Amino acid sequence: QKEVEQNSGPLSVPEGAIASLNCTYSDRGSQSFFWYRQYSGKSPELIMSIYSNGDKEDGRFTAQLNKASQYVSLLIRDSQPSDSATYLCAVLGGDMRFGAGTRLTVKP
Amino acid sequence: DADVTQTPRNRITKTGKRIMLECSQTKGHDRMYWYRQDPGLGLRLIYYSFDVKDINKGEISDGYSVSRQAQAKFSLSLESAIPNQTALYFCATSQGLGTEAFFGQGTRLTVV
Repeated sequence: QKEVEQNSGPLSVPEGAIASLNCTYSDRGSQSFFWYRQYSGKSPELIMSIYSNGDKEDGRFTAQLNKASQYVSLLIRDSQPSDSATYLCAVLGGDMRFGAGTRLTVKP
Repeated sequence: DADVTQTPRNRITKTGKRIMLECSQTKGHDRMYWYRQDPGLGLRLIYYSFDVKDINKGEISDGYSVSRQAQAKFSLSLESAIPNQTALYFCATSQGLGTEAFFGQGTRLTVV
């Protein structure tokens, strides 16, 4: 059974703070990892992809991958109220599996 | 126009009815997926297809069937709908191994 687990949340941070979102996965054969953001009632949209161990930065977002620990995380720096959404971790092995999501609220 | 289009966007149907949800894409991607989303459960994979002749079951395929009519079209059927199939359904596409998925707008299905 391929599983993707995310910290359950909900997570609340003040505006300007760092939000940290975590994800673990069970399939060691997984090669590609993604973070999606989903606003209520909308489709998921890709915000980050990461394929190799280490950090990948894109603006205020940093994804971190540790394949040995089967762990992937997303840091959001200088959090804004517009970042309030559900964040979904996705893991691609033979198919693409998602975690249950972490709901983030950024309070002004 | 959206690259991944789902029809209908909303549907209410009765228990025991057969219903089909349709997905079409203009991205030229080979891979297509169907997911359902329930509150607190994230996206769960129902079926996926890597090309027209390749169909695979996902985590929760019981009660569902699919048809890949062409590279651009992937339909999901509920043969005899039941209330616990009430959910938000998403179609997604991706191109090749290792690439991200692009989602349609979703179909909100209610079975009464």
